[in-house]
Amino acid sequence: DTAVSQTPKYLVTQMGNDKSIKCEQNLGHDTMYWYKQDSKKFLKIMFSYNNKELIINETVPNRFSPKSPDKAHLNLHINSLELGDSAVYFCASSQGSFSYEQYFGPGTRLTVT
Amino acid sequence: AQSVTQLDSQVPVFEEAPVELRCNYSSSVSVYLFWYVQYPNQGLQLLLKYLSGSTLVKGINGFEAEFNKSQTSFHLRKPSVHISDTAEYFCAVSGRGAQKLVFGQGTRLTINP
Repeated sequence: DTAVSQTPKYLVTQMGNDKSIKCEQNLGHDTMYWYKQDSKKFLKIMFSYNNKELIINETVPNRFSPKSPDKAHLNLHINSLELGDSAVYFCASSQGSFSYEQYFGPGTRLTVT
Repeated sequence: AQSVTQLDSQVPVFEEAPVELRCNYSSSVSVYLFWYVQYPNQGLQLLLKYLSGSTLVKGINGFEAEFNKSQTSFHLRKPSVHISDTAEYFCAVSGRGAQKLVFGQGTRLTINP
């Protein structure tokens, strides 16, 4: 059983398009996160949700909008994609919002051309 | 705010040799410390964590790390590496009471036969 899953694994799209990445966790955790990993492998948090409530929003452009329909799902929608959005996006989850131990998904590699 | 510096971007070692990956952190409050491993084309997996108690923590796959408060370090060690340890290793810090992890830049460990 996959603990944290993401779809799609790869996403290639053109500038200006709108795309979504989906994340699901079956660990029963109440907190979920989105991270962006750039081409130099630097990993930075974008958002986190606790019980469907947004608790962290790290200076991310408004074109990025997370949505949490329930505790087990956290989706990321990106409008008007730009070349600089190309990266690997990781979803993660934890029990509690104090980051004791986070479980990561396999990542979605987004390429904007 | 917290920050993490991983002092080596790449570390090449021979198989069965010992290895140390260095991590220093900065924080104005007490911290929790973590090491994550990322195998090629995969998500991050928790290797070990320091929350409190003994400053020497043992993790999976024979890795251990020592928390040194006076030197603000949390170096990762393994006495004898295997080819399968080839991966990217990330040190991360969370301030107590904070709600996010801050990651270092990563260290690529390459094991040569």
